[in-house]
Amino acid sequence: QKEVEQNSGPLSVPEGAIASLNCTYSDRVSQSFFWYRQYSGKSPELIMSIYSNGDKEDGRFTAQLNKASQYVSLLIRDSQPSDSATYLCAPLRDYKLSFGAGTTVTVRA
Amino acid sequence: DGGITQSPKYLFRKEGQNVTLSCEQNLNHDAMYWYRQDPGQGLRLIYYSQIVNDFQKGDIAEGYSVSREKKESFPLTVTSAQKNPTAFYLCASSSAGGTNYGYTFGSGTRLTVV
Repeated sequence: QKEVEQNSGPLSVPEGAIASLNCTYSDRVSQSFFWYRQYSGKSPELIMSIYSNGDKEDGRFTAQLNKASQYVSLLIRDSQPSDSATYLCAPLRDYKLSFGAGTTVTVRA
Repeated sequence: DGGITQSPKYLFRKEGQNVTLSCEQNLNHDAMYWYRQDPGQGLRLIYYSQIVNDFQKGDIAEGYSVSREKKESFPLTVTSAQKNPTAFYLCASSSAGGTNYGYTFGSGTRLTVV
């Protein structure tokens, strides 16, 4: 079993719709969780972090965490063409981030 | 402006050659990391350092070496023992063990074997 599993996509959504990205992790010790966005050929940039069970909202992004189910998700509301990228889920354990392979999102106009 | 600088942006290596990738940060971060990314795959940890003059192997350290003589610098050497070095290499740094703020990444070095 991989440490971090994400749907590879591609996930295609129309402009203005909600994009829903899922991530499961195997290590129950992980306490902090991060979502990174990576444009093609570029380095990852941090967009969200979440540490407690429940929802955390930041602008058009909402992260959801359920530690009992070892599940974290990211919702992108009012999707824009500029949201087209690969989204990486990254749990933190022992000061090290583990990364999933990412979900590629394409927002079509 | 604070940030992480990686150089060069593109690097070509001949068979049997060692090459060194540079990573410099002015964020005053204690921890620094090297990751490798292959097409369609997630980032895999090569080496990391929590403090000057100390570093630990990550998941795929074979064929790589690092040093941490200064807080600001964490160079990565890809040795001839690394049989498949073509990849996108990312350097990152963090404060407080990355617990609250995650990592800040450099712009990456794309290494190609010719």
